[in-house]
Amino acid sequence: AQSVTQLGSHVSVSEGALVLLRCNYSSSVPPYLFWYVQYPNQGLQLLLKYTSAATLVKGINGFEAEFKKSETSFHLTKPSAHMSDAAEYFCAADFGNEKLTFGTGTRLTIIP
Amino acid sequence: DADVTQTPRNRITKTGKRIMLECSQTKGHDRMYWYRQDPGLGLQLIYYSFDVKDINKGEISDGYSVSRQAQAKFSLSLESAIPNQTALYFCATSGKPGLAEETQYFGPGTRLLVL
Repeated sequence: AQSVTQLGSHVSVSEGALVLLRCNYSSSVPPYLFWYVQYPNQGLQLLLKYTSAATLVKGINGFEAEFKKSETSFHLTKPSAHMSDAAEYFCAADFGNEKLTFGTGTRLTIIP
Repeated sequence: DADVTQTPRNRITKTGKRIMLECSQTKGHDRMYWYRQDPGLGLQLIYYSFDVKDINKGEISDGYSVSRQAQAKFSLSLESAIPNQTALYFCATSGKPGLAEETQYFGPGTRLLVL
């Protein structure tokens, strides 16, 4: 079955440290892939998306993600965490039916 | 003004009551979606609509119904609310020709508590 898996429901990093949030997908054909961020009491906001153009995708707020077909992964990174990055992050995939399948989310905490 | 609005933002209701959640968008998008979010489960698709005459069930449509009154309006109803429908509900929209060109834009959410 087609699915999206986010490893780690909670991740904590120190301010200024590298942020790495993991996302893997399961499908025979690479999907379109998305990362969304949800700040407290808000809706979801798109960070970045992969639509088969470039494997390294740059998004807003200094985030980027790299699509690796061999690893069926689309991990999200940011070189230096900021306090304002504290939020919940969702990886999602479109497996070709114009619907999004979401991972279960990763809550990112930034330690001062 | 927000492109995707949801009303109400918060609602408390009792088991067995009928409730409607409304979504409006000013983006001119054809596609609209309803999701529910539960802690630890991410977002699950309830219903979606690709145009006014097209309504489709999502992963978890049981206990819910929808109405697409116009291109800009998509309502979600709980005919007889039950406590396990307590959740955060999101409406989203996207434009043609699909997610390769457009992404989904989300409303601010409706927090529903069923007692």
